Amino acid sequence: GAGVSQTPSNKVTEKGKYVELRCDPISGHTALYWYRQSLGQGPEFLIYFQGTGAADDSGLPNDRFFAVRPEGSVSTLKIQRTERGDSAVYLCASSRSPGRQETQYFGPGTRLLVL
Amino acid sequence: DAKTTQPNSMESNEEEPVHLPCNHSTISGTDYIHWYRQLPSQGPEYVIHGLTSNVNNRMASLAIAEDRKSSTLILHRATLRDAAVYYCILRPDNYGQNFVFGPGTRLSVLP
Repeated sequence: GAGVSQTPSNKVTEKGKYVELRCDPISGHTALYWYRQSLGQGPEFLIYFQGTGAADDSGLPNDRFFAVRPEGSVSTLKIQRTERGDSAVYLCASSRSPGRQETQYFGPGTRLLVL
Repeated sequence: DAKTTQPNSMESNEEEPVHLPCNHSTISGTDYIHWYRQLPSQGPEYVIHGLTSNVNNRMASLAIAEDRKSSTLILHRATLRDAAVYYCILRPDNYGQNFVFGPGTRLSVLP
């Protein structure tokens, strides 16, 4: 079946611009996670949704970052006033539920480059 | 968050078994041990997970120490496609807790 998809696959923007990154989770998965991965490091948690609500946003680095999931499926990560340090791969994952045995299925990521 | 320690890198020859170690001395009694791997230019993918008993699936085996302070991921016959970064992650009891990834072990497979 279809896995997690993310668009765009690559995004180049200029410092100070606004970007939106989209995640389409696996159908029926209630839990959705956003991670950020810098070169040579493991993914770093940003935010987790259970249904439509953000259950844990403790990983968002500052108030320039915001994410929504208005209908409990597709999610959008929004970054305002981008900075060069925001350049990274942004990964989305989904799972059937947030239980500790549940497998998280990751998308291929969006590579963001801020010039 | 409970912490895991893995070697930075390992090498294996093709078609030989690989044992990838992970130390998690601060693990709590209800933490699940998950292993994921990340192939170049892809998102992480699930490999295996367990709690106390050893686990086997079509991809790998997971051997968990009796005191649960360490575990070993076993690839029975490495292929070139197994070259990836392997992450050992503890999933605590908190419902919905995200994964905390370390730097992982970069596995190289030599033909």
